[in-house]
Amino acid sequence: GDSVTQMEGPVTLSEEAFLTINCTYTATGYPSLFWYVQYPGEGLQLLLKATKADDKGSNKGFEATYRKETTSFHLEKGSVQVSDSAVYFCALSDRGDSNYQLIWGAGTKLIIKP
Amino acid sequence: EPEVTQTPSHQVTQMGQEVILRCVPISNHLYFYWYRQILGQKVEFLVSFYNNEISEKSEIFDDQFSVERPDGSNFTLKIRSTKLEDSAMYFCASSEARAGNYGYTFGSGTRLTVV
Repeated sequence: GDSVTQMEGPVTLSEEAFLTINCTYTATGYPSLFWYVQYPGEGLQLLLKATKADDKGSNKGFEATYRKETTSFHLEKGSVQVSDSAVYFCALSDRGDSNYQLIWGAGTKLIIKP
Repeated sequence: EPEVTQTPSHQVTQMGQEVILRCVPISNHLYFYWYRQILGQKVEFLVSFYNNEISEKSEIFDDQFSVERPDGSNFTLKIRSTKLEDSAMYFCASSEARAGNYGYTFGSGTRLTVV
């Protein structure tokens, strides 16, 4: 079945450092890919998405490119801030005939130190 | 910006009791979902709902669980006889179309604690 694998956390960086959180997937169809963010004590917010190969999703300085050849959707940010500290989830939705659900990665906790 | 609203934000219940978690999806959305997240673990799909019926459900969504859209705005999750292992954060979500096109809008969650 479909699955999402994320790098394990926590990831600890200093402010202004470059961030990469790896995400790879397996899917039988043509998935859409998502990054969600969960700030401490809050719900799940859609950060960015990409619906087809080579699409780049971007939001709030974060980017991720849908790479079909490597089945990856790595999250990047050039200069992180303390306020980016959160748990980041990679997810996919396989646009099969009856698949309505999101398949989630385990989440990666990001800690940014001043 | 439109929001998905969940109530209550935190519910404590005794084992064996029934609980109802409430959600108000975004008004023009057609697809509704419940997910849960046990503390420190993955987000897990429970159920999707479209056109007044369940579209898909996971193995977690057994006979103890039910969903309902009692009127034009609310979407509820009922757990008939809660168990300790039902303690989790429960998230409601809605979308205009299948998640593959747009992703979801999630509510802020209900933290259910079964004691």
